[in-house]
Amino acid sequence: EIVLTQSPGTLSLSPGERATLSCRASQSVSSSYLAWYQQKPGQAPRLLIYGASSRATGIPDRFSGSGSGTDFTLTISRLEPEDFAVYYCQQCGSSFPFTFGGGTKVEIK
Amino acid sequence: EVQLLESGGGLVQPGGSLRLSCAASGFTFSSFAINWVRQAPGKGLEWISTINSSGGSTYYADSVKGRFTISRDNSKNTLYLQMNSLRAEDTAVYYCAKFLVRGLIRDAFDIWGQGTMVTVSS
Repeated sequence: EIVLTQSPGTLSLSPGERATLSCRASQSVSSSYLAWYQQKPGQAPRLLIYGASSRATGIPDRFSGSGSGTDFTLTISRLEPEDFAVYYCQQCGSSFPFTFGGGTKVEIK
Repeated sequence: EVQLLESGGGLVQPGGSLRLSCAASGFTFSSFAINWVRQAPGKGLEWISTINSSGGSTYYADSVKGRFTISRDNSKNTLYLQMNSLRAEDTAVYYCAKFLVRGLIRDAFDIWGQGTMVTVSS
């Protein structure tokens, strides 16, 4: 099973600041199968990034993904008030079981 | 509008059974593999099962293998999750989610339902 470790657990930032979220895999993950999701309280997750770096439909360009192998990053260039949420990475195809990271909470400082 | 709508959650005693449904609309259901993902209260996301577009191939997390069965009825545009021998640790919100690309069973999950709560307690 591929274990995904996200860091930091919590990120305290102000609107307008840059957020950098890390996702590290216990073994190499195909970039084609690394995704990022945003989840707000009481809501279902929303796909942000697929294929490590492709933005899903309707996702603003302040969200970007990068990385390969075992190290992946989600960057939010300038935080908007609606971006404060929990973010999960997921490996969705390198192997079963599909696994999610433990999440990074981006909170208002 | 592409939509998934779960139903069937509720309170069940340990050892009991429950069947969840996920009704799809707005896309060609029979062309897409679908997943079940759950989230225990205050916890992260856990993938639990995938079924391919025809229903002929299924995959399970070890935590539910042998107790849960995923199935689909493409004529009704509906996905199911039969849950047997339920345990307290199965308490969670259960989401269905479709793959981004038709036909694939390895891909991001682009559309999620709103979730249905399952509580296992005596």
